[in-house]
Amino acid sequence: DIQMTQSPSSLSASVGDRVTITCRASQSIGNYLNWYQQKAGRAPKVLIHSASGLQSGVPSRFSGSGSGTDFTLTISSLQPEDYATYYCQQSHSTPRTFGQGTKVEIK
Amino acid sequence: EVQLVESGGGLVQPGGSLRLSCAASGFTFSSNWMSWVRQAPGKGLEWVANINDDGSEIYYVDSVKGRFTISRDNAENSLYLQMNSLRAEDTAVYYCAAMVWGGPFHIWGQGTMVTVSS
Repeated sequence: DIQMTQSPSSLSASVGDRVTITCRASQSIGNYLNWYQQKAGRAPKVLIHSASGLQSGVPSRFSGSGSGTDFTLTISSLQPEDYATYYCQQSHSTPRTFGQGTKVEIK
Repeated sequence: EVQLVESGGGLVQPGGSLRLSCAASGFTFSSNWMSWVRQAPGKGLEWVANINDDGSEIYYVDSVKGRFTISRDNAENSLYLQMNSLRAEDTAVYYCAAMVWGGPFHIWGQGTMVTVSS
């Protein structure tokens, strides 16, 4: 199974800050990497597909990069509605696996 | 409106059974891979099972193999998860999700809570 490791597990940031979350796969997954946002008590929502593809309707302050084993989700200017938990997920092989999540909190 | 609505969750004793349902609307259900993803209380996301568009390909996470069965009825736009021999560690919110093969889980339901406890 492919293990996905996110860092950090949590972070505190202020509105307007640039935020970067990293995700590492235990083996190469090409660009088969997706990012999700989950707010408390809600279902996850896909933000980025295929490592860098912005999902329709997602604000352009979200971006993704990387390939192979190392990936990054960047929020260019953190907004109040962005406080949530973020997960990476590989779609290269079965079982589909997720990172453990990164909780973005208000500073 | 694109929508997935799960039902069937509840409290069940260890060793018991439960059947989850997911009703799809607003998109072409019969053309999509479908999945179940779960989330234990306070924990992260765990993929549980996939089924392809016509039900001929099915995959499970190891921890539920032999106990859970995913199925679909394209005529009814519905997805199911039959859960047998339930354990405490199966306690979670279960989400139904539409999946792009090689891509993301792009449509999610609101989830249904399953609690396995005596």
